[in-house]
Amino acid sequence: DARVTQTPRDKVTEMGQEVTMRCQPILGHNTVFWYRQTMMQGLELLAYFRNRAPLDDSGMPKDRFSAEMPDATLATLKIQPSEPRDSAVYFCASAISPGTGVTGELFFGEGSRLTVL
Amino acid sequence: AQKVTQAQTEISVVEKEDVTLDCVYETRDTTYYLFWYKQPPSGELVFLIRRNSFDEQNEISGRYSWNFQKSTSSFNFTITASQVVDSAVYFCALSEKTSYDKVIFGPGTSLSVIP
Repeated sequence: DARVTQTPRDKVTEMGQEVTMRCQPILGHNTVFWYRQTMMQGLELLAYFRNRAPLDDSGMPKDRFSAEMPDATLATLKIQPSEPRDSAVYFCASAISPGTGVTGELFFGEGSRLTVL
Repeated sequence: AQKVTQAQTEISVVEKEDVTLDCVYETRDTTYYLFWYKQPPSGELVFLIRRNSFDEQNEISGRYSWNFQKSTSSFNFTITASQVVDSAVYFCALSEKTSYDKVIFGPGTSLSVIP
């Protein structure tokens, strides 16, 4: 079964530490999304890429968050320095898109649960 | 700008009752795509359906049905004869042609089916 793989599944860290979350999209998928889920804000789109190029990262706090796709098989989301308000579940999703709207299914990973103490 | 509203935050029904989850969207595009996802207590997001803006036919899949009405910008989801396993958070989502693949989710509706 093709699936999106995220690591780590769970991360507990202290405020001020750097956190890196990784995502392996489904092979052949050209669009990758990062979402953050909290009780208060629901599913927020942080950033997304098509063909490894960042298209929109307006949902991310720019001073501490960064998202990259060093290659087609890896997307990363980094938080430096982390803060307690960053505690959330971070989901990666991938899809095939022609660039004129996602026409098919977004496949989600199982999420990375981040707790910042 | 695209926006998805799910006015029902929480719904509770007794098993075997029918329940409808509302979704209202905003878009200026004539070409767009609508989705429903289910998030059970285990946390994963499960794809249920995708609809494009040119296909207004309602769809039925087992106990699930979807009513797409462009005139009211709504894409409602009905579960017939609900079961305990339907307990989950349900998300409606929108992708616009001109937003280059941006997919925005609504706030979700938490459905509890009581035995």
